[in-house]
Amino acid sequence: NAGVTQTPKFQVLKTGQSMTLQCAQDMNHEYMSWYRQDPGMGLRLIHYSVGAGITDQGEVPNGYNVSRSTTEDFPLRLLSAAPSQTSVYFCASSYSVSGGSDTQYFGPGTRLTVL
Amino acid sequence: DAKTTQPPSMDCAEGRAANLPCNHSTISGNEYVYWYRQIHSQGPQYIIHGLKNNETNEMASLIITEDRKSSTLILPHATLRDTAVYYCIVRRIVWPGTASKLTFGTGTRLQVTL
Repeated sequence: NAGVTQTPKFQVLKTGQSMTLQCAQDMNHEYMSWYRQDPGMGLRLIHYSVGAGITDQGEVPNGYNVSRSTTEDFPLRLLSAAPSQTSVYFCASSYSVSGGSDTQYFGPGTRLTVL
Repeated sequence: DAKTTQPPSMDCAEGRAANLPCNHSTISGNEYVYWYRQIHSQGPQYIIHGLKNNETNEMASLIITEDRKSSTLILPHATLRDTAVYYCIVRRIVWPGTASKLTFGTGTRLQVTL
């Protein structure tokens, strides 16, 4: 298993540009989510999905769009990049376990700089 | 989800046990205690979780007080590779069709030294 993969590893954008951060998992996980981490801070949830075709907003969703057309993929779109979106972005996935707990598996991250 | 309080930083000598405390005094009966760590800006890594009883796996032990208001993560023989930020997270039980969300604080930065 490759686990959770993210591309690209690094990206530099100019203000106003758009781009898509890719996330894929090969563990047949139902849940996928996107977090951002600013310097010296913990991770904050952007968007999440409980299954294909179902997405919802997290703590900091403004400026980002997501879709989930397959179980494996959960791309994050920046519509019009702003310097405030400079951050490290992590994708995560987990099983759905009936009546119990689950653990999340994180990708290696995408380091985004918006000039 | 209940909030957690952790010391911002701790030091530990290599080979010694590292004991990382976490306070979660507002935890409710249907909330788990999870521990993750993040090594030098890599993606967070799951360590262990528990509900009421103490738990142990190949990485660590988790001690939860009887009233569940605090817990301690124990790395029995810390190595330099255990230097990381450790996050204590309290999260509700996950049911099918519900969101599997984690709320991260700022964690404890553990520095393991020679």
